Amino acid sequence: EADIYQTPRYLVIGTGKKITLECSQTMGHDKMYWYQQDPGMELHLIHYSYGVNSTEKGDLSSESTVSRIRTEHFPLTLESARPSHTSQYLCASSDDRGTDTQYFGPGTRLTVL
Amino acid sequence: QKEVEQNSGPLSVPEGAIASLNCTYSDRGSQSFFWYRQYSGKSPELIMFIYSNGDKEDGRFTAQLNKASQYVSLLIRDSQPSDSATYLCAVNGWSGGGNKLTFGTGTQLKVEL
Repeated sequence: EADIYQTPRYLVIGTGKKITLECSQTMGHDKMYWYQQDPGMELHLIHYSYGVNSTEKGDLSSESTVSRIRTEHFPLTLESARPSHTSQYLCASSDDRGTDTQYFGPGTRLTVL
Repeated sequence: QKEVEQNSGPLSVPEGAIASLNCTYSDRGSQSFFWYRQYSGKSPELIMFIYSNGDKEDGRFTAQLNKASQYVSLLIRDSQPSDSATYLCAVNGWSGGGNKLTFGTGTQLKVEL
């Protein structure tokens, strides 16, 4: 079944640790996105990719980095986590045809102590 | 002026009533319009999209688009308590060399017994 996956779903980690949030999709989509959302607040686009080896920063400045080596995989890395990084991180993908509808993964809730 | 504007609510309606959610957008070149539902702590899920002026119906949901007025709405008929969620309006337009989805801040809907 075509879907979009995120792991881990929940992560509690100490300050200074390096973390990677995984996102994979079996939708066959070229475009992938990372959003950050605090509880009760709006979605903020932090990174996006239109294809392999293509990555761009989004509207909200983020200390995270991303890579796109394979079409189906779009991991997000924080080199040194801080409490200010505590948030929900949502991955999405869309195809490059028609309406460009975005579909979201289940999200990763990150807590940095 | 925000690119996509929604009333944050909460919008309270009694069970069985029609809920009307509204959204305005600033980019006249926008082509596609989306409604997502987001339960607290969950990721957004697509309800429906619309790209032509007029109405589009899907079950209890009707999306309405008026490009001249730059206005898109979502009607939910026979509202149920399970419809209580935040509803995000998203607009697809051209930005930074590619199509980009811009989200509103969402309207919180509460359906009361």
